[in-house]
Amino acid sequence: QQKVQQSPESLSVPEGGMASFNCTSSDRNFQYFWWYRQHSGEGPKALMSIFSDGDKKEGRFTAHLNKASLHVSLHIRDSQPSDSALYFCAASDTGANTGKLTFGHGTILRVHP
Amino acid sequence: EAAVTQSPRNKVTVTGGNVTLSCRQTNSHNYMYWYRQDTGHGLRLIHYSYGAGNLQIGDVPDGYKATRTTQEDFFLLLELASPSQTSLYFCASSDQGNYAEQFFGPGTRLTVL
Repeated sequence: QQKVQQSPESLSVPEGGMASFNCTSSDRNFQYFWWYRQHSGEGPKALMSIFSDGDKKEGRFTAHLNKASLHVSLHIRDSQPSDSALYFCAASDTGANTGKLTFGHGTILRVHP
Repeated sequence: EAAVTQSPRNKVTVTGGNVTLSCRQTNSHNYMYWYRQDTGHGLRLIHYSYGAGNLQIGDVPDGYKATRTTQEDFFLLLELASPSQTSLYFCASSDQGNYAEQFFGPGTRLTVL
């Protein structure tokens, strides 16, 4: 079973719109979450991390974590064509300080003019 | 920002061939990782390392060996390559454990004919 599940598989939003991504872990040990973004032809790059319940905002990006339900979301406001990319949720095991991340399958975002 | 480089960027080999993928990071990170990326599977961890001479098994290790010769250099070895190992391979590094961002290289596209 996939331990980190993402939805939707793909998303299309108009320029200036809001893009929202969801992620759920099926493993209670996974409570540290990251969002990574990968543009075509490049390696993934970290967008933000969230380790505590509640919201975390960085510029146009807001992440929300609910540890009780192991659900994390990412919202991008005022989406730009440059935000078109593959977005990954990743989780790490709080019980072992290995640095090991388990990634979801990703969500493809297309921002259209 | 951490610099992670990979070589070669593209590699074609035949079934049963011997392949070595190289990764170097220049920011004195202790942790290094090898992932493969396949459509529909996201990023999957093959092997990782905490430092020179250290190796840890990831989630999809079958058919792969790895060696960490120095703090900077991490190699992935495919001794009898198979078509199922055709994939996009990424190396990453991080400073410490679960709280640290992973920095990814540009990737190596491997085709096994």
